[in-house]
Amino acid sequence: AQSVAQPEDQVNVAEGNPLTVKCTYSVSGNPYLFWYVQYPNRGLQFLLKYITGDNLVKGSYGFEAEFNKSQTSFHLKKPSALVSDSALYFCAVRDAGTYKYIFGTGTRLKVLA
Amino acid sequence: EAGVTQFPSHSVIEKGQTVTLRCDPISGHDNLYWYRRVMGKEIKFLLHFVKESKQDESGMPNNRFLAERTGGTYSTLKVQPAELEDSGVYFCASSPDATGELFFGEGSRLTVL
Repeated sequence: AQSVAQPEDQVNVAEGNPLTVKCTYSVSGNPYLFWYVQYPNRGLQFLLKYITGDNLVKGSYGFEAEFNKSQTSFHLKKPSALVSDSALYFCAVRDAGTYKYIFGTGTRLKVLA
Repeated sequence: EAGVTQFPSHSVIEKGQTVTLRCDPISGHDNLYWYRRVMGKEIKFLLHFVKESKQDESGMPNNRFLAERTGGTYSTLKVQPAELEDSGVYFCASSPDATGELFFGEGSRLTVL
């Protein structure tokens, strides 16, 4: 069965420091991987995706994610965090053989000024 | 271009009552998904429409939940009768195809007392 794990409920980082939000997944076939961000009282917004190709994927707002097949991970990264990056981040996976997207529990990112 | 819209944004009902949530996807998006997030937990898949057909309804909790998408445009999700455990935020998302990112509405928060 497909699953996504976000092991950290919250990540705190100082403004200007690099940030990492972790995600591991489990699918039976080739994964389609996504990151979404949710700001307060808003819907989820797409950040980036990995379908195939380069393992390092670049997305919106300076975020990037690295696909690691051997570790079944897709960690979200940003070289220099901004206070405005504070939000709830969700990792999602879709099995290439289905149309169902499976989401993680979310990680709250707090960037401290 | 209008995004995904959901109505109502917040509904408070008593146990045993009926509630109908509505989702208007982005025009031209054949794929429509319903998800639910209970406080602090994962965003859980409910079902997936392709046009007016239910592609996958494996996530629907029980027969108290009924989703429709007549004419392949807007969708409704009815809960009848509502139970306390149905409380949560119900998200609708649409996409033009089944491989790319989802476009989310802002969610309908349901509180069952």
